[in-house]
Amino acid sequence: DQQVKQNSPSLSVQEGRISILNCDYTNSMFDYFLWYKKYPAEGPTFLISISSIKDKNEDGRFTVFLNKSAKHLSLHIVPSQPGDSAVYFCAATWSSGTYKYIFGTGTRLKVLA
Amino acid sequence: DTAVSQTPKYLVTQMGNDKSIKCEQNLGHDTMYWYKQDSKKFLKIMFSYNNKELIINETVPNRFSPKSPDKAHLNLHINSLELGDSAVYFCASSQVGQRNTEAFFGQGTRLTVV
Repeated sequence: DQQVKQNSPSLSVQEGRISILNCDYTNSMFDYFLWYKKYPAEGPTFLISISSIKDKNEDGRFTVFLNKSAKHLSLHIVPSQPGDSAVYFCAATWSSGTYKYIFGTGTRLKVLA
Repeated sequence: DTAVSQTPKYLVTQMGNDKSIKCEQNLGHDTMYWYKQDSKKFLKIMFSYNNKELIINETVPNRFSPKSPDKAHLNLHINSLELGDSAVYFCASSQVGQRNTEAFFGQGTRLTVV
């Protein structure tokens, strides 16, 4: 039972353009969402997060949008850079005390120079 | 200064052997995790420990035995290794409390069972 889904396994974007990565979830108890970036042979690194009380959070070139009614979140990267090429995972968790993060299956982003 | 470090990075071993993976975090976090990334690239929770106590055991075979000697360490011992245990194992830590926070991951241990 995959509670967090990333339906696009891969995405290619031209350098300088916007990258949009999508994530859907099924569990309405989730109230905190995160995006991680992963390079080959490295561990996932935290990118940006959003609490369910917000619908947008921005950090530099990265913006996460949350649509609770649709149980959907997206990560926007503007402008995309070749160094952004990596696998992106979305993750979700409950309020304090959950002790686990549920991950999506990942989307491989390739930014073309 | 690495926040979450795990050793070894690569581990190749024969079926039936017993092996351990070590993990240490210097972030002062109270919760540590083991995740498994299988061949399909799913990142699945195996265990979580809070203040050295096992909180989550996500239906992992009892050949896998985590041990947390203190809050900063969470080791994973695997008995009687099987081919299906081949995967990348990630250790992580976070501070679970009133405010949600992110987990920090180690660089992973690629286990290959032959």
